[in-house]
Amino acid sequence: DIQMTQSPSSLPASIGDRVTITCRASENIDNYLHWYQHKPGKAPKLLIYAASTLENGVPSRFSGSGSGTDFTLTISPLEPEDFATYYCQQSYSTPMYSFGQGTKLEIK
Amino acid sequence: EVRLVQSGAEVKKPGESLKISCQGSGYRFSSHWIGWVRQMPGKGLEWMGFIYTTDSDARYSPSFEGLVSMSVDRSISTAYLHWSSLKASDTAVYYCVRAGHYSSSDLWGQGTQVTVSS
Repeated sequence: DIQMTQSPSSLPASIGDRVTITCRASENIDNYLHWYQHKPGKAPKLLIYAASTLENGVPSRFSGSGSGTDFTLTISPLEPEDFATYYCQQSYSTPMYSFGQGTKLEIK
Repeated sequence: EVRLVQSGAEVKKPGESLKISCQGSGYRFSSHWIGWVRQMPGKGLEWMGFIYTTDSDARYSPSFEGLVSMSVDRSISTAYLHWSSLKASDTAVYYCVRAGHYSSSDLWGQGTQVTVSS
């Protein structure tokens, strides 16, 4: 099974900051890496697919990069509505499309 | 509007069976597989598996193989997740998702809360 490890688990930040969340795969996943935003009581939302492609309607302050085993999600500048939990997910290894453990972006 | 609408919250006893549903609308249902994601209380997202809506071929994550089953009724654009004998540890929110580019999950249902308690 491919293990996905996110860091940090918790990230205090302020409005206007630039923040970066990292996601590491235990083996090569090419660019089959996606990022989701999850707010309490809501369904998760796809932000970025294929490591760096912004989903329709997602603000351009979100960006993704990486390939192989190391990936990053960057948000700049942070807006109030961005405080949420972020997950990465790989879809390289069918059918086990594993998620990272999540990064909670909190107000500093 | 393109959406996935899930069935409502369930409260069940251990050992009971359950089937929850996920109905797609606003798009061609047979063009995308439907997957399922679990979120246990206070925990992260877990991928359970997916089912091809064209032929009902289901693929399960090893952690969920034999514990749940997935099915589809293409005539009503609905996917199902089924338990034959629930356990307290099945208490969670379950989301259905639609396959997007690169097998991302580009559309999510609103979630179904399943509570199993004696």
